[in-house]
Amino acid sequence: AQSVAQPEDQVNVAEGNPLTVKCTYSVSGNPYLFWYVQYPNRGLQFLLKYITGDNLVKGSYGFEAEFNKSQTSFHLKKPSALVSDSALYFCAVRDSGAGSYQLTFGKGTKLSVIP
Amino acid sequence: DTGVSQDPRHKITKRGQNVTFRCDPISEHNRLYWYRQTLGQGPEFLTYFQNEAQLEKSRLLSDRFSAERPKGSFSTLEIQRTEQGDSAMYLCASSAKSHEQFFGPGTRLTVL
Repeated sequence: AQSVAQPEDQVNVAEGNPLTVKCTYSVSGNPYLFWYVQYPNRGLQFLLKYITGDNLVKGSYGFEAEFNKSQTSFHLKKPSALVSDSALYFCAVRDSGAGSYQLTFGKGTKLSVIP
Repeated sequence: DTGVSQDPRHKITKRGQNVTFRCDPISEHNRLYWYRQTLGQGPEFLTYFQNEAQLEKSRLLSDRFSAERPKGSFSTLEIQRTEQGDSAMYLCASSAKSHEQFFGPGTRLTVL
């Protein structure tokens, strides 16, 4: 079975400060990892993914994430937060060896960037 | 914009009625997915199609739920005899050979 944990329901950060949104995962095989962002009353927007290769992946809007296999983590980061980054962020995982295409999502982390 | 579209965006129905939702994926995407999202939770997988074949179904998908993708293009999700617990946002996503799934805006269902 595959699962994702986002340990923080909410993260508050001052505008211009670096931000981190945490994600840990559990899969039987190798993970495919994803971050999505959801704005109010809108669908999920894809930010970035880790499939294989470099542990640091870069995505949309200046976001990046670091894959850490030993800690089974895939934390989302941004060097300088913007007020417009305030939204709900979801981490998702798929087990590459399970023969399944379904994504398992975390419960989400609400990011608030304070002006 | 050629993203994933869903119709209707909102549906209010009475308990016991049947409802049907439609999803139009990105045109070149052969994989289509349905998820359900309730307040305060992440999306939960319901079912997956590759072309017209339904290849995966979650145990969340009770026998009151049925999904089709008859020509490998658009898909419909029908809920029969709706219950208040069916109230949720129903999300459709599509993907091609790349691994990321692209989501539509969702259909919000309210069962009174």
